[in-house]
Amino acid sequence: SQQGEEDPQALSIQEGENATMNCSYKTSINNLQWYRQNSGRGLVHLILIRSNEREKHSGRLRVTLDTSKKSSSLLITASRAADTASYFCATDEYRGGADGLTFGKGTHLIIQP
Amino acid sequence: NAGVTQTPKFRVLKTGQSMTLLCAQDMNHEYMYWYRQDPGMGLRLIHYSVGEGTTAKGEVPDGYNVSRLKKQNFLLGLESAAPSQTSVYFCASSYVPPGVELFFGEGSRLTVL
Repeated sequence: SQQGEEDPQALSIQEGENATMNCSYKTSINNLQWYRQNSGRGLVHLILIRSNEREKHSGRLRVTLDTSKKSSSLLITASRAADTASYFCATDEYRGGADGLTFGKGTHLIIQP
Repeated sequence: NAGVTQTPKFRVLKTGQSMTLLCAQDMNHEYMYWYRQDPGMGLRLIHYSVGEGTTAKGEVPDGYNVSRLKKQNFLLGLESAAPSQTSVYFCASSYVPPGVELFFGEGSRLTVL
């Protein structure tokens, strides 16, 4: 079953604008991660946020986590054409990830030049 | 650094044929995983391994077998391929959870006719 569910499924914005993607999950977690996948490539880890953290930054990325609502958001500021990709959230609902991460279906982000 | 390497990258099989996908990692990771990615389904865990000589079932293990004879290698086998196994297969590896990122290979695209 899908633990994380991203919203929206697809997003198209102009270069320079900010992009926000959301992820909802169903059970308790220790950590939530975001990954990027360029077309035809493997997934690349972007950022990890722990259950006791509310916000985390990495360069142009800002991730928030609300454990009471079981949701997370990924904000990409000042978007660039190279940010065009699919973005996935992943949770460790099973034994802290010892049984693998559970991925959502992803948000496909298109940055229009 | 090679990271996680998958072979082959592309393969076409006929129904009933068998094949093996090879995953190799050079990061001395304990954990290795096989996921499949289908349109609209996100990534689903097939099998995983927590160390040399160990394997465990994931969410969708039926029709697949795996082996981890060496720490750096994780093999995924299809004994009798079916069209439903047409997919993109991703191998990943990590240090011991919790709170660790997964490193992914570039994927193996399998078509079963």
